[in-house]
Amino acid sequence: EPEVTQTPSHQVTQMGQEVILRCVPISNHLYFYWYRQILGQKVEFLVSFYNNEISEKSEIFDDQFSVERPDGSNFTLKIRSTKLEDSAMYFCARGTSGSVSYEQYFGPGTRLTVT
Amino acid sequence: EDKVVQSPLSLVVHEGDTVTLNCSYEVTNFRSLLWYKQEKKAPTFLFMLTSSGIEKKSGRLSSILDKKELFSILNITATQTGDSAIYLCAGSARQLTFGSGTQLTVLP
Repeated sequence: EPEVTQTPSHQVTQMGQEVILRCVPISNHLYFYWYRQILGQKVEFLVSFYNNEISEKSEIFDDQFSVERPDGSNFTLKIRSTKLEDSAMYFCARGTSGSVSYEQYFGPGTRLTVT
Repeated sequence: EDKVVQSPLSLVVHEGDTVTLNCSYEVTNFRSLLWYKQEKKAPTFLFMLTSSGIEKKSGRLSSILDKKELFSILNITATQTGDSAIYLCAGSARQLTFGSGTQLTVLP
């Protein structure tokens, strides 16, 4: 099964600005996840999204972050008032179609650079 | 706190060598162990292991899980330069907890 696509591939923003990262599923998946990877560090879980609702979120996923599926298709991660330490690769991942799944397939990622 | 530890952190071998990468985990409500290959950007799915002792194979790669010892290994036989990458393992509960990865370099 194909993965998801993500846009943009690279986003540069100034500190304090809001950014929206997009995840576009190839087909009708129910489970989505956002992860981030700061350069040279581990991949870290941010949030999982099932059937248009948040199902789990990590300590990292504070009030600065939000997720939604505004049009029932694209899946967005919004970061309000970005900080320098938000610079990272942000990956969207999907679960296997239509069922509880432990397999997760990652999109190509968005590189966020906060200056 | 869930924890996944990989060893070695880095490994340099020559083409044709066989390598074994290690992953130990402590994950509450553990469901499965996943292996990924990360080259320049996104992790690429390799294996998911849910049962102990059942080897999964894909070409020259194989992996096995020991749920009693909370351990998994990833073997790569007859390594090629294209196998050079970071290999990540992740414990799955309601989300994935990743290890730091093993940086594998295969020299020609």
